Amino acid sequence: GENVEQHPSTLSVQEGDSAVIKCTYSDSASNYFPWYKQELGKRPQLIIDIRSNVGEKKDQRIAVTLNKTAKHFSLHITETQPEDSAVYFCAASKGDDKIIFGKGTRLHILP
Amino acid sequence: EPEVTQTPSHQVTQMGQEVILRCVPISNHLYFYWYRQILGQKVEFLVSFYNNEISEKSEIFDDQFSVERPDGSNFTLKIRSTKLEDSAMYFCASSEGGARPQHFGDGTRLSIL
Repeated sequence: GENVEQHPSTLSVQEGDSAVIKCTYSDSASNYFPWYKQELGKRPQLIIDIRSNVGEKKDQRIAVTLNKTAKHFSLHITETQPEDSAVYFCAASKGDDKIIFGKGTRLHILP
Repeated sequence: EPEVTQTPSHQVTQMGQEVILRCVPISNHLYFYWYRQILGQKVEFLVSFYNNEISEKSEIFDDQFSVERPDGSNFTLKIRSTKLEDSAMYFCASSEGGARPQHFGDGTRLSIL
């Protein structure tokens, strides 16, 4: 069935450095790729998304890239801050279909 | 900014009992979803609902589960006879459709004793 793989499962970076999380998806019909941030005990919160007709999207310190041919997509956070510490989930979807989530990356920002 | 609201925030129930989890989606949204997240694991799809019927359901969503939109605002998930393995955080989500983002509620933590 549809699957989203996410790496790494845990990532520690020094404050101010960049963090990169990578995902792959299996269903070539997927056309929408949201990224969610989840703080402990809270809801998944959409931080950025990208559609299959776009290769890259940026919003301030966050950027996502998509390689449809390779079925890879990734999240880049620059100039990391303590408040970036959370679990990040990549996901894939087909339009209004269900979202398939990756297993999450626990990001630690070290002081 | 409008939000998806869920009640209760925490539900503790004896195994075998029925539970109903409630959600109020964002008012102009047309697509509704339930997901669950077992502690420390990923978010898993349960069911999607559009135009007053189920669009899709996962293998998890067996005969013990049902969903209903009893009025113009509420969207409920019922588990008929709860099992220990139903313990999880249940999230409701909604979207406008047209491949717009899904917005999640704060979740209901369901604990089965």
